[in-house]
Order: sequence, then structure tokens, then C-alpha cells
Amino acid sequence: DAGVIQSPRHEVTEMGQEVTLRCKPISGHNSLFWYRQTMMRGLELLIYFNNNVPIDDSGMPEDRFSAKMPNASFSTLKIQPSEPRDSAVYFCASSLKGGHEQYFGPGTRLTVT
Amino acid sequence: AQSVAQPEDQVNVAEGNPLTVKCTYSVSGNPYLFWYVQYPNRGLQFLLKYITGDNLVKGSYGFEAEFNKSQTSFHLKKPSALVSDSALYFCAVRVGFGNEKLTFGTGTRLTIIP
Repeated sequence: DAGVIQSPRHEVTEMGQEVTLRCKPISGHNSLFWYRQTMMRGLELLIYFNNNVPIDDSGMPEDRFSAKMPNASFSTLKIQPSEPRDSAVYFCASSLKGGHEQYFGPGTRLTVT
Repeated sequence: AQSVAQPEDQVNVAEGNPLTVKCTYSVSGNPYLFWYVQYPNRGLQFLLKYITGDNLVKGSYGFEAEFNKSQTSFHLKKPSALVSDSALYFCAVRVGFGNEKLTFGTGTRLTIIP
């Protein structure tokens, strides 16, 4: 299995631009999670989906952030407009519902200048 | 609410010595506990979990962890450290059945000294 796939691996953009991060979960997994990792705040859960439905989005920092999961094999996290404080590594993870461990992708390193 | 504390930001151990990375948790209900490892520029990798049953759980790469309910702890251990064990280690907790939201600790950087 290819594991969780994220793209792009690195993104550099200017403040005010729209950023879209993409994730393909492991085939057959029906839960998908978006995390953000920074030195200051550590690893934070932003949102998670089960069977393509958002279950908990309490970690989404503000309205500039949105996430979608149009089907079982694809999810996006969008930031519009981006700000320098959004700079972080964004991870996607997936798991089997009823399973326990989450499998993480390699992450997208976002830099907003 | 659920939370995890990793009291040590950094742990240094000589190669071949036993290692311990500490974790305490707080959760309302039965805890599901996890350890993950992160190597530089990589995503987190699952090491082991405690769901129920034996308090001592064994995981990948020779790691084990002991669940202690009275002390609300879940310390990660290995009898003999390898240089390749050097990495960032995260403890995580979630409430049992129905809630998939994991709360992670702040991480402990483990350095094995040759």
C-alpha cells in the first residue's frame, strides 16, 4: 500500500493568496484527519471526517480555513486568504473506523511570506 | 476534556542503556493510549497502543509501554537503546468507543548517545 499521500510536499506563497492542500487516504480507511504542527503549538487536530462527513471541526482556527471530502479517496484543506501565522506543517492521517491507530502522511510544509 | 502531559522535552540516553519516555494523561472515561514516533521531515508513525487487557503492551522496534491506571501514566520503555531510536516521541490519548479525536502531548526528543 502506498500509504497516505499528500500534495504538495512544500508550498511557499505570499500573504493573501489561496492555498489548497490535498490528501489521499489509505484505501479502505473511512476516517480522515487534518492536523497542523508548529513549534509553538505542537500537533493540533483541525478537523476529522468519518465516511466523508465532517464530525469534529472544533480545531479549525477561523473562517479562513475550510476542508472538504468529496469522496472516500480525496480530501482538501483550503486556506483563503493565507497569513504568515499559517506557516506550519500540515498532516493528513487516516484510519479504519473502529480501528484505533492513525496512519500519517508525510506532511505539507507551508510557508506564507 | 482529555489531555496528555510529557514532562520532559529532551531525554538523553547512552547507547545500550534502558530508556524511558514519560507520559501522563487525563480523560473522562476509559482511555485509549498511543505512542507515535516522528523522524525528521516525516509524518508520525504508530508504535503501540493500549486499549484494554494486559497493562504491558509491546510494539514496534522493541518498544513497550506500561499502563498504570492509579498513576494515570503510560510510560514508553526499551531495554537497550539504539542510536537509530533517536527521534521525537509523542504520547496520545482518546476516550474509548465512539470518539476518534486524539489529543497529543507536546513531544519528547530522545537522543541516543553512541
